[in-house]
Amino acid sequence: NAGVTQTPKFRILKIGQSMTLQCAQDMNHNYMYWYRQDPGMGLKLIYYSVGAGITDKGEVPNGYNVSRSTTEDFPLRLELAAPSQTSVYFCASSKTGFTGELFFGEGSRLTVL
Amino acid sequence: GESVGLHLPTLSVQEGDNSIINCAYSNSASDYFIWYKQESGKGPQFIIDIRSNMDKRQGQRVTVLLNKTVKHLSLQIAATQPGDSAVYFCAENINTDKLIFGTGTRLQVFP
Repeated sequence: NAGVTQTPKFRILKIGQSMTLQCAQDMNHNYMYWYRQDPGMGLKLIYYSVGAGITDKGEVPNGYNVSRSTTEDFPLRLELAAPSQTSVYFCASSKTGFTGELFFGEGSRLTVL
Repeated sequence: GESVGLHLPTLSVQEGDNSIINCAYSNSASDYFIWYKQESGKGPQFIIDIRSNMDKRQGQRVTVLLNKTVKHLSLQIAATQPGDSAVYFCAENINTDKLIFGTGTRLQVFP
């Protein structure tokens, strides 16, 4: 099984550019999440989804958007990239929500210059 | 791969020794706790979890202890191996709709 697949692994953006981080899972999980991880910090929740067509804000949603048109895919969009969005982004999925094992992707490292 | 947590607290242990990684959590209402391991350049991996109605849970070579009185969680790794070298995160769940991650502890295993 591929598990959770994120693309791209690395990306450099200029301030003001837009991009989409892709995330796909093949475990038929209803719950999907986007986290960001800054150096020396734990993971911060950006957005999450409890099923296709349903999304909700996490702790740090400003500057991001998500959609969940299928169970498998949960893309994260940055509309106007800012240096503060330089981070490592992790997508995750789970079967039972926040009280259960989250399966993480390998991460996408984004640098905004 | 990336290096995350460049200035994390670090625990250095010798191969074969037991490791104890500690975590203080913030909210007395938290009712579920989980430990993740993150190797360099990879996403976090689940290790073990515990609910607030328990004070101890054991897995394969790992034990999690929960002390609700002082809001403290610990992860014990028996017979630490080089493959255990990683950053370890604890996380607490509050009212099932939020999972708050700690900042992590780096475990270094020396031969």
